[in-house]
Amino acid sequence: AQTVTQSQPEMSVQEAETVTLSCTYDTSESDYYLFWYKQPPSRQMILVIRQEAYKQQNATENRFSVNFQKAAKSFSLKISDSQLGDAAMYFCAYGSAFQGGSEKLVFGKGTKLTVNP
Amino acid sequence: NAGVMQNPRHLVRRRGQEARLRCSPMKGHSHVYWYRQLPEEGLKFMVYLQKENIIDESGMPKERFSAEFPKEGPSILRIQQVVRGDSAAYFCASSPFGMTTTYEQYFGPGTRLTVT
Repeated sequence: AQTVTQSQPEMSVQEAETVTLSCTYDTSESDYYLFWYKQPPSRQMILVIRQEAYKQQNATENRFSVNFQKAAKSFSLKISDSQLGDAAMYFCAYGSAFQGGSEKLVFGKGTKLTVNP
Repeated sequence: NAGVMQNPRHLVRRRGQEARLRCSPMKGHSHVYWYRQLPEEGLKFMVYLQKENIIDESGMPKERFSAEFPKEGPSILRIQQVVRGDSAAYFCASSPFGMTTTYEQYFGPGTRLTVT
């Protein structure tokens, strides 16, 4: 079974600074997807960024980028130029790409990010 | 295109009552997933349905919980004889095809169930 671990329950960053959130996962599959979701106080789950395991290039979405290390099974999220609106819970998630495999997403426990003005 | 809709947003039930949570997927989406989020926890998969079929219910408690996704109408997550431990946020997600094809699930705003 796949597992996702987020070892930082809480992180804080100064506005305009850069912060990196860590995520490691465990799987025996070779083809899969990884996601970072943001959950603000409204509780709505918002997709921040996704990475296909077969792609060597790290995904980037504006101020958000990932460092995907497949051999190390590591998938960290970097937020540049942090803004007050980035304050939220961030969840790392794993999804199988294996045909016939489980369709579910496996989530980590989350990292609470605080942005200080 | 309206997003995934869930209702009610908040539901209060007394112990022993039934809770019915509804999920309307995005237009054109025929795959629905239900997740539960306990306080201070990540989301945990419960069940995956396609129209009129339960595909994977490996995350569903064996008793009191059931789910359906009829040919017409929303998906329903039903919890019978609720207990305090059922208090959680329940999220629905949908996708137009299976995960392995589209690799993205679109989430609704969740229903927060409180059992008193």
